[in-house]
Amino acid sequence: QVQLQESGPGLVKPSETLSLTCTVSGGSISSYYWSWIRQPPGKGLEWIGYMYYSGSTNSNPSLKSRVTISVDTSKNQFSLKLSSVTATDTAVYYCARHREKWDLLRSFDYWGQGALVTVSS
Amino acid sequence: DIVMTQSPDSLAVSLGERATINCKSSQSVLFSTNNKNHVAWYQQKPGQPPKLLIYWASTRASGVPDRFSGSGSGTVFTLTISSLQAEDVAVYYCQQYYNTPPTFGQGTKVEIK
Repeated sequence: QVQLQESGPGLVKPSETLSLTCTVSGGSISSYYWSWIRQPPGKGLEWIGYMYYSGSTNSNPSLKSRVTISVDTSKNQFSLKLSSVTATDTAVYYCARHREKWDLLRSFDYWGQGALVTVSS
Repeated sequence: DIVMTQSPDSLAVSLGERATINCKSSQSVLFSTNNKNHVAWYQQKPGQPPKLLIYWASTRASGVPDRFSGSGSGTVFTLTISSLQAEDVAVYYCQQYYNTPPTFGQGTKVEIK
C-alpha cells in the first residue's frame, strides 16, 4: 500500500520560503507523476505543480514564478519550495500521486494526510 | 484554465435517499485520443485528505461502494449517491484532468436531513 507523508515547518514568516517534503513509502517514486495541491482553511483545492521522477516539472501559472519542485529518487522523496509567501499562502499542503504510470493527465489516487502551513510573523 | 462549477453548494438528504451533485466544465473534457472524459470525483471528510471515488467520469475507484456512481460526458457530469449513509457526510469535489492546470470544483457539502 502506497503511503505519502508531508513534512516541514508549520509556521513560516511573510516574505520567506515555504519548504515541504513528501516521502513515499510502500512503492517507488519512479514511473509516476506526483503533485502538490493545497487547501486554504475552509476553502477548496488548488493544484500547485507536478514533478516526474525523471526531474521534469511544471506548476500552476498563478504561482509559477514562486514554485520550485524537485525530486530525490534515492530517498523516494520530492519537495516543494514556495518563495515570498504571504498570509494567503496559509493552507494545508498535500502531496498526491497521479493514478497511472507514465501518464500526466490522470486523477490523484493516493494523497498524504496534509501539512498545515501558517504564514505569520 | 478550465473552470469546474458544482451545484448545489450544499444539500441535505434523508438517510437512504438519493443525493445528486452536478458539475459543469467551461469546455469539453472529452479527450479525443482515448474517447474518455477526464473527470474525477473526490470525497473529503473533516480533517482528512480527499479520497478518489470516481475517475474517467464513471469508473469507481478500488473499494468504493457501488452506491456511488458517476455519469455525464463533454461538459456536464453528475455524482449520485443512490442511498445515503451516515458515513457519506462529507464535501465532494469534481476535478478535470483534461489539461494543465488540473482544476477542481468549489465543493458540495452533503449533510443528513
